[in-house]
Amino acid sequence: DAGVIQSPRHEVTEMGQEVTLRCKPISGHNSLFWYRQTMMRGLELLIYFNNNVPIDDSGMPEDRFSAKMPNASFSTLKIQPSEPRDSAVYFCASRKQGDGQPQHFGDGTRLSIL
Amino acid sequence: SQKIEQNSEALNIQEGKTATLTCNYTNYSPAYLQWYRQDPGRGPVFLLLIRENEKEKRKERLKVTFDTTLKQSLFHITASQPADSATYLCALDGGSSNTGKLIFGQGTTLQVKP
Repeated sequence: DAGVIQSPRHEVTEMGQEVTLRCKPISGHNSLFWYRQTMMRGLELLIYFNNNVPIDDSGMPEDRFSAKMPNASFSTLKIQPSEPRDSAVYFCASRKQGDGQPQHFGDGTRLSIL
Repeated sequence: SQKIEQNSEALNIQEGKTATLTCNYTNYSPAYLQWYRQDPGRGPVFLLLIRENEKEKRKERLKVTFDTTLKQSLFHITASQPADSATYLCALDGGSSNTGKLIFGQGTTLQVKP
C-alpha cells in the first residue's frame, strides 16, 4: 500500500510569496496531522483533523498559516505571505482511529524561504 | 505545561553493544508512550508502543521500559548494528488517547560504529 504522499519534496521561494504544501493520507485513515520540524524546536504539531474536521489548530504559528482538508484523501497547508523564519521541513502524518494507533508520516516538504 | 526531554547529545557506540536511550517527561501522566525512528531526509517511522500499565515491551532486538513513578522510558537496542544509526524520537499521547495527538521529544541521534 502507498504511504502518506507529500508534495512537493522541496520548495524554494522568495519571501512574500504564497506557498502551498500538499498531502495525501493513507486510504482508510481518518486522522491527519501537520507538523513542522526544525533543529531548534524539533517536531511541532501545527494542526490536526479528524474525519476532515479541524480539531486543534493551537500550534499554527499565526494567521499567515492555514490548513484545509476538503475530503478524506487530500489536505493542504498554506503560508501566505511566507517569511524566512518559516523555513523548515513540514511533515504530514495520518492514522487510523483507535486507542494507541501509530501515526504514519510522509517524507516531508523541505521549505526554504529566501 | 507538558515537557519531554531526550538526551540532545548524540550517542556513539560500538557495533554489537547495547544502546540505551532515555526519555523523561514532566507535568503529565500519559496513557501510552511511542518510539519512532527517523532517518535523514525521511519522516519518522513507528517502532513500539508501551502503555502506562506495562512495564516492558519487546520487539526483536528492541526493548522499551516505562516507569510512571520516575516518569521515564528507556529504549534499548541490543546487538546494535551500523544500520541502527538514526535519530530516535519518543512521543507521549497528547491528553486524550482517542484523538491520536502526540507530543514529541527532540530526539536522540544514535551512531553505531563498525
